[in-house]
Amino acid sequence: AQSVTQLGSHVSVSEGALVLLRCNYSSSVPPYLFWYVQYPNQGLQLLLKYTSAATLVKGINGFEAEFKKSETSFHLTKPSAHMSDAAEYFCAVSLSGAGSYQLTFGKGTKLSVIP
Amino acid sequence: DGGITQSPKYLFRKEGQNVTLSCEQNLNHDAMYWYRQDPGQGLRLIYYSQIVNDFQKGDIAEGYSVSREKKESFPLTVTSAQKNPTAFYLCASTRGSGAFNSPLHFGNGTRLTVT
Repeated sequence: AQSVTQLGSHVSVSEGALVLLRCNYSSSVPPYLFWYVQYPNQGLQLLLKYTSAATLVKGINGFEAEFKKSETSFHLTKPSAHMSDAAEYFCAVSLSGAGSYQLTFGKGTKLSVIP
Repeated sequence: DGGITQSPKYLFRKEGQNVTLSCEQNLNHDAMYWYRQDPGQGLRLIYYSQIVNDFQKGDIAEGYSVSREKKESFPLTVTSAQKNPTAFYLCASTRGSGAFNSPLHFGNGTRLTVT
């Protein structure tokens, strides 16, 4: 079984500041990890995904995430926030070899960007 | 452009009525999914289908029904047995069934309000 915890249901940052959205996972075997973004009244869009190939994963729109096994974390970062980054972000986990229907989503973190 | 179309965007119904949400995809994807999203709850899987004429219950299937008569279409019926149907419903699809190689593609959702 697997689970994911997103710390902070709402995060506010100033435009140009660092974005850090936290995700911790629990998994009995090596996991697959994903970050999705949801803009208001839209579906989710994949930002990035983790394989075992590299611990630092780069995604779209300047976001990246680092897999830290010792901390069971997969935090999402962006060096400089833009107004267009305001959205809700979801971390998701599945077991290696699992089907897409076995994806477990976190509760989401809503990011606000202050001008 | 290929994608997933959910209709209608907003739906209002009286309590006790069944209602059907439409989901159509032209991505030629084999697998399709229905998720329910409530504020602060993340996404929860209702039903999924990996092939035409076959579907499986997800984590919260009670009060819902689906059909998969065509590869492109996966309608969801919210029945009167669903105790709390007001929510945002998201349809998704994947090319294959593996979580890693087949990221979820989402429609823009249907917001259902039952009074």
